[in-house]
Amino acid sequence: AQSVTQLDSHVSVSEGTPVLLRCNYSSSYSPSLFWYVQHPNKGLQLLLKYTSAATLVKGINGFEAEFKKSETSFHLTKPSAHMSDAAEYFCVVSDTGFQKLVFGTGTRLLVSP
Amino acid sequence: SQTIHQWPATLVQPVGSPLSLECTVEGTSNPNLYWYRQAAGRGLQLLFYSVGIGQISSEVPQNLSASRPQDRQFILSSKKLLLSDSGFYLCAWSVAGRGNYGYTFGSGTRLTVV
Repeated sequence: AQSVTQLDSHVSVSEGTPVLLRCNYSSSYSPSLFWYVQHPNKGLQLLLKYTSAATLVKGINGFEAEFKKSETSFHLTKPSAHMSDAAEYFCVVSDTGFQKLVFGTGTRLLVSP
Repeated sequence: SQTIHQWPATLVQPVGSPLSLECTVEGTSNPNLYWYRQAAGRGLQLLFYSVGIGQISSEVPQNLSASRPQDRQFILSSKKLLLSDSGFYLCAWSVAGRGNYGYTFGSGTRLTVV
């Protein structure tokens, strides 16, 4: 079975500093991987996705993630945090049948002025 | 373009009362449909998914049920709510057979059982 592990439940950064949210995955096949963002009491919004094309994936709002097969990682980064980035972020992997997504437990990003 | 509607946005229900949450998708045909629950401080748990009318798969045993009476309509129900049913419920859709394209989520329903 496929799974993802988000290594940090909370990450705190100052506005203008880099963001790193870590995710490791487990998959027997070439996975599809995603990052979603959820603002308080809102639905989830797709930030970016990796589907076996370029290993460096660029998403919305300046976020990007790099697929590293040797490290089974798909970390999310942003060069400079903005206050509006404060939210919960989910790393997600698709199952082998591509019918269901498996979510990580989430990382809450806190951004201070 | 495709849109997903989910209602109500918030709901407060007493223990033992029934529940019906509705989700509809516009602008696509034969989507895969999903119900997720997010309990306080926890990740998302897949409750049900459907690949077609009348076809429901349940992921976990629970006090809830789901139905898909029409191609783009997905309903989450309960006959008698429990306190443990409180949470944030999210409906989502994906292109049939293409979960690797990602899901599109509705805006969610905050359910509080009192």
